[in-house]
Amino acid sequence: DIQMTQSPSSLSVSIGDRVTVTCRASHSIVTYLNWYQHKPGEAPHLLIYGASTLQSGVPSRFSGSGSGTDFTLTITTLQPEDFATYYCQQSYGTTWTFGQGTKVEVK
Amino acid sequence: QVQLQELGPGLVEPSGTLSLICNVSGDSIRNYYWGWVRQPAGKGLELIGRIYSNGSPNYNPSLKSRVTMSVDTSKNQVSLKMSSVTAADTAVYYCVRAASVGAVRVYAFDMWGQGRLVTVSS
Repeated sequence: DIQMTQSPSSLSVSIGDRVTVTCRASHSIVTYLNWYQHKPGEAPHLLIYGASTLQSGVPSRFSGSGSGTDFTLTITTLQPEDFATYYCQQSYGTTWTFGQGTKVEVK
Repeated sequence: QVQLQELGPGLVEPSGTLSLICNVSGDSIRNYYWGWVRQPAGKGLELIGRIYSNGSPNYNPSLKSRVTMSVDTSKNQVSLKMSSVTAADTAVYYCVRAASVGAVRVYAFDMWGQGRLVTVSS
């Protein structure tokens, strides 16, 4: 099975900061990589699919990059509504898996 | 507008079977993957498994021996059964749809239910 490792596990940031979250796959997953945002009490929702394509309605301050085993989620100019936990997820091969999550918290 | 709603008991006894149904409205369940994702309190998301609308399942290896998923296209429903539950199975269970999205045709969980808290306790 393909393991997904996110770093860091948590981030303390301020409004307006640039945020970078990294996701590493144990084997190449080409660009079969998705990012989700999850706020407490809500269902997670899809932010980015195919490593770099924004889901409809997602603000342009979110971006994704990478291929193979190394991927990045970037939030430029963090907004109050962006405090949440972010998960990567691979859909390459037979068994799909999530990363362990990165919690973006208020500094 | 597609909506997913998880239905089933919120309390299951240890060693019993957890049973949930996902009622899908607003679109046919055909031609999509459907899955179940859970989140224990204070922990991350865990994919339990997925099943295509034709009934072909794929389960998380760590749960495979206890999990059965099925689809009922006539009722537009997806079901989950997990046997021999313990307190470690206490979690919010989400029903999800996996669609092949965009020009890149990657599968992503584009629709989520609101989640059902299932507690395993006597």
